[in-house]
Amino acid sequence: GESVGLHLPTLSVQEGDNSIINCAYSNSASDYFIWYKQESGKGPQFIIDIRSNMDKRQGQRVTVLLNKTVKHLSLQIAATQPGDSAVYFCAEKGGGAGKSTFGDGTTLTVKP
Amino acid sequence: DAGVIQSPRHEVTEMGQEVTLRCKPISGHNSLFWYRQTMMRGLELLIYFNNNVPIDDSGMPEDRFSAKMPNASFSTLKIQPSEPRDSAVYFCASSSSGTGETQYFGPGTRLLVL
Repeated sequence: GESVGLHLPTLSVQEGDNSIINCAYSNSASDYFIWYKQESGKGPQFIIDIRSNMDKRQGQRVTVLLNKTVKHLSLQIAATQPGDSAVYFCAEKGGGAGKSTFGDGTTLTVKP
Repeated sequence: DAGVIQSPRHEVTEMGQEVTLRCKPISGHNSLFWYRQTMMRGLELLIYFNNNVPIDDSGMPEDRFSAKMPNASFSTLKIQPSEPRDSAVYFCASSSSGTGETQYFGPGTRLLVL
């Protein structure tokens, strides 16, 4: 069946460095992608989204890149801060489906 | 806005007991989702409602699980009888066409079945 998965389960970076979190998806009908951040003890929180008619979208310190050719999504966090330490999920939605499919999550640890 | 509200935040019960989890979505949102999160299986969608109607319950593990949404501002997820393998964090999320497909998650209910 269709699935969304993350390439790496954990990522450790130094404070101030840039972080890149990757995600692969398999549903070619997916037309909407979302990144969520989940801090310990809390529910996932929306970070940024991108539609399939775009290749790149920027937010505050975050950028999402979409490569539809290889079905790959990435989240870039600039100048990573300790508060960025969390689990990051990518989710995809497509084909008119009312639900999103979540990946397994990548744990980002920021070292001071 | 208070966001999505879930209760209780923590629940400890014994195997065989009935458990009821509650959710109040964000006012005006017309879609509601129930998720279960465990270390082993990650975040799983159990069921979602659109305009109070269950649309997809394919993620509900078995007949012991049931969900209702009697009105636009309230939903319940019930487990009867509960089993230790049901121990997890259960999240409720809501969204609306006005927010696109972005889901807003509640704080979760941490369930422990002994």
